[in-house]
Amino acid sequence: KAGVTQTPRYLIKTRGQQVTLSCSPISGHRSVSWYQQTPGQGLQFLFEYFSETQRNKGNFPGRFSGRQFSNSRSEMNVSTLELGDSALYLCASRGGANTGELFFGEGSRLTVL
Amino acid sequence: SQQGEEDPQALSIQEGENATMNCSYKTSINNLQWYRQNSGRGLVHLILIRSNEREKHSGRLRVTLDTSKKSSSLLITASRAADTASYFCATPRESGAGSYQLTFGKGTKLSVIP
Repeated sequence: KAGVTQTPRYLIKTRGQQVTLSCSPISGHRSVSWYQQTPGQGLQFLFEYFSETQRNKGNFPGRFSGRQFSNSRSEMNVSTLELGDSALYLCASRGGANTGELFFGEGSRLTVL
Repeated sequence: SQQGEEDPQALSIQEGENATMNCSYKTSINNLQWYRQNSGRGLVHLILIRSNEREKHSGRLRVTLDTSKKSSSLLITASRAADTASYFCATPRESGAGSYQLTFGKGTKLSVIP
């Protein structure tokens, strides 16, 4: 079974630009969540999607958005990039309500110049 | 805010030694999980211990949970250079809408010297 796939792995943007990151969950997993990891704030929850619906969102500004498609693939978008958005963005999928573990992708490393 | 807080923040040991990492959390939990992250990579789930369990083993890993103290420990026995990584504890939060998220501690960076 293929794992969680995130693209792109690395990208460099400049302030004010926008970026879209993609995540393909493990086949059959309907829950996809996103986390931001920075040296200063650690791992922080961004949002979770299930069956194309956002079920929860973390404490991030409206510049951070996402969506999920009918095949469970998810994208997140960050508009009007700021230097502080530089981070490793991790996507995770979950198999079902009775399972606790998350399966993470390798992440997308975003650098904002 | 961080639910789990690990200590130590960094740990350096010789290959073959045991490594112990501790985690404290603040609210009541259904389970507690440990994850590993190699430098700049994704997180890998190591072990999940439920709130009604006190100890759990998986290979060279041993996890304990003390719900009265709101703390957990991860023991890696007979460490190897390949165990060099950051280790995070995580606690889940579920909402009535079915939402599920993990709150992570800041992690322990383990270095195993060959």
